[in-house]
Amino acid sequence: DTGVSQDPRHKITKRGQNVTFRCDPISEHNRLYWYRQTLGQGPEFLTYFQNEAQLEKSRLLSDRFSAERPKGSFSTLEIQRTEQGDSAMYLCASSFWRGAYTGELFFGEGSRLTVL
Amino acid sequence: QKEVEQNSGPLSVPEGAIASLNCTYSDRGSQSFFWYRQYSGKSPELIMSIYSNGDKEDGRFTAQLNKASQYVSLLIRDSQPSDSATYLCAVNTGNQFYFGTGTSLTVIP
Repeated sequence: DTGVSQDPRHKITKRGQNVTFRCDPISEHNRLYWYRQTLGQGPEFLTYFQNEAQLEKSRLLSDRFSAERPKGSFSTLEIQRTEQGDSAMYLCASSFWRGAYTGELFFGEGSRLTVL
Repeated sequence: QKEVEQNSGPLSVPEGAIASLNCTYSDRGSQSFFWYRQYSGKSPELIMSIYSNGDKEDGRFTAQLNKASQYVSLLIRDSQPSDSATYLCAVNTGNQFYFGTGTSLTVIP
């Protein structure tokens, strides 16, 4: 079990550029979550997948954000036309779900985005 | 009303003391409850999970759950300077995990 891994760990970009983050969840986990966290706040839900299906997306999420999990394994989160307000830590997490049971949520190390 | 509420602190305790962290949640259908520790600039690390009413102990940590009062707490015994961090309470409602804003804890040597 290698844990949840995220790449890149840090990304600095100019406003208006597109960025993509990758997440590899714990292999036996079927649910994958994306969160955003800014200083002094708790993780804010963005979206989650069960296997390859995107089951929920935050209503607060701009249409500049898109996420995929094409084969039910790794996931990507893309932000188009970045804005300075997108600067944050982007956290990926995974868990195991089966019926009424939802297991513990484990986080990756995060991808810190700075938009200049 | 936020799903999960925590006192943001900061909470300061002397080394060796008991630190008490509290959390309330709004959804009575919440099924499972978690405490995470987050050091500055790092991602959240799971330290405790609790699924039923009562106490659950793991080393120096004790989680307490009272579903009737919609209240979760974390006790840290024999606090150490290395416990200085932000502690996040999280609640699972079946699909979603909701997080509080965290309580900042400082353990003074």
